[in-house]
Amino acid sequence: QSALTQPPSASGSPGQSVIISCTGTSGDVGGYNYVSWYQQNPGKAPKLIIFEVDKRPSGVPDRFSGSKSGNTASLTVSGLRAEDEADYYCSSYAGNSNLVFGGGTKLTVL
Amino acid sequence: QLQLQESGPRLVKSSETLSLTCTVSDGSVSSSRSYWGWIRQPPGKGLEWIASIYYSGDTYYSPSLKSRVTISLAASNNQISLRLSSVTAADTAVYYCARQPRGFAMIRGIINYFNIWGQGTLVTVSS
Repeated sequence: QSALTQPPSASGSPGQSVIISCTGTSGDVGGYNYVSWYQQNPGKAPKLIIFEVDKRPSGVPDRFSGSKSGNTASLTVSGLRAEDEADYYCSSYAGNSNLVFGGGTKLTVL
Repeated sequence: QLQLQESGPRLVKSSETLSLTCTVSDGSVSSSRSYWGWIRQPPGKGLEWIASIYYSGDTYYSPSLKSRVTISLAASNNQISLRLSSVTAADTAVYYCARQPRGFAMIRGIINYFNIWGQGTLVTVSS
C-alpha cells in the first residue's frame, strides 16, 4: 500500500485537459512543497516532469503543470496528446529524510 | 549528458544479499552538485525509494528498509552500490539508480526529486 493515494486510472480525449490527484497527509504533501511528478512509459524508466510542486524541468512541455492545495497535489495535462498516454507517479518528502511515492495513475488518451 | 547504468545478478536466492552497482558516465559520483539514489518497482506496481547518498558520505535510508540496506560510493570506479540483505520474494523488482541535484532541500536532508534515471535492472528473488 502506497503512502500517497492516486486514482488508478484517468482518461481524456485529445485536446482535453486531465487532472490527476495525489492525496497525502499533513506529514507529507500538506507539510512540504517538495512534491514531484514522474511520467513512465511501458518498460522505461520514470521521467521527471514536475518538481517542487509546480516547477517544470527544461524540455518538459508547458502542457504539464502542477499545483497543491492542502494535503492534495495535482498534475494537470492540458491539450492531451496521444504520446501523453503513460503511467504517472507523484512523490513527496515525508519528513525525517524520507520520501514516499503514490501508487501511480494510468492515463489513457481516448 | 550524464548517464547511469545498473548492473548485478538478475537472480538472487531467498535469504541472501542482493548487490547492485550503478556506473555513472559523463559525470562523477564525487561531484558536489549531485546526490545519488536507488528506487525500486515491483512488477506491475508503484515506485519505492530505497536510499540516497552524497559524496561526503551522508546517507539517507527508507525507514521500512533501513535495517537491511547499505548504499555506498566507489569513487575510483565512479559507481554507486546497493546491498539489500535477507531478501524475500517481496524484494523482486526493477531497481533503478538515479541522480538528485544538490540544492536547498538536499543539503538539509530533505529527499527531493530525481532528474536523471538509469534504465533499471530486474532482480528476481527465488526460493
